[in-house]
Amino acid sequence: AQRVTQPEKLLSVFKGAPVELKCNYSYSGSPELFWYVQYSRQRLQLLLRHISRESIKGFTADLNKGETSFHLKKPFAQEEDSAMYYCALVAYNFNKFYFGSGTKLNVKP
Amino acid sequence: DTGVSQDPRHKITKRGQNVTFRCDPISEHNRLYWYRQTLGQGPEFLTYFQNEAQLEKSRLLSDRFSAERPKGSFSTLEIQRTEQGDSAMYLCASSSTGTGSDTQYFGPGTRLTVL
Repeated sequence: AQRVTQPEKLLSVFKGAPVELKCNYSYSGSPELFWYVQYSRQRLQLLLRHISRESIKGFTADLNKGETSFHLKKPFAQEEDSAMYYCALVAYNFNKFYFGSGTKLNVKP
Repeated sequence: DTGVSQDPRHKITKRGQNVTFRCDPISEHNRLYWYRQTLGQGPEFLTYFQNEAQLEKSRLLSDRFSAERPKGSFSTLEIQRTEQGDSAMYLCASSSTGTGSDTQYFGPGTRLTVL
């Protein structure tokens, strides 16, 4: 069963437009949710984790347990935000680790 | 560079050969993970160590795959009798429970091509 779903493979927006990258998960219990980002020719790196409830590079993500979603949002996209974004779910108590298939964000000038 | 390192970065091998990859985690990290990533997909979990103990192994990992972390520091992933379907990027990550943050830090990956 797909544990983490990112329905959009590609999302194109213009610079300055709002962006929302969708992530839905399927897991009972209390997993931790993360967003990882991979810029061109760089390694995967953490962008956000839900328990931190912080904003990084203008991005925020709220865990909605009722909708089992963890969408990533930014009010004004920048060209440097263009990258692959992966949503991930971790359940350390069960040693389970799942990544979504990723969404490529393309911010056009 | 104090990040996670992997060696080699690229490996081309013929079907049926054995290959071994190495991962050096961030020095104070006690957890180490192996993932496999194919084109157009996110990382798929393979296995996970806490110190030298292998705590979880994915059902994706056939008997041809084995991983070790003998001293709780670096780790090796061996694939025996490689098949073309093993062609992928193999990623290693590490994290620390000591800081209270289980953020996984990824290495650059080893790209395996099986001819």
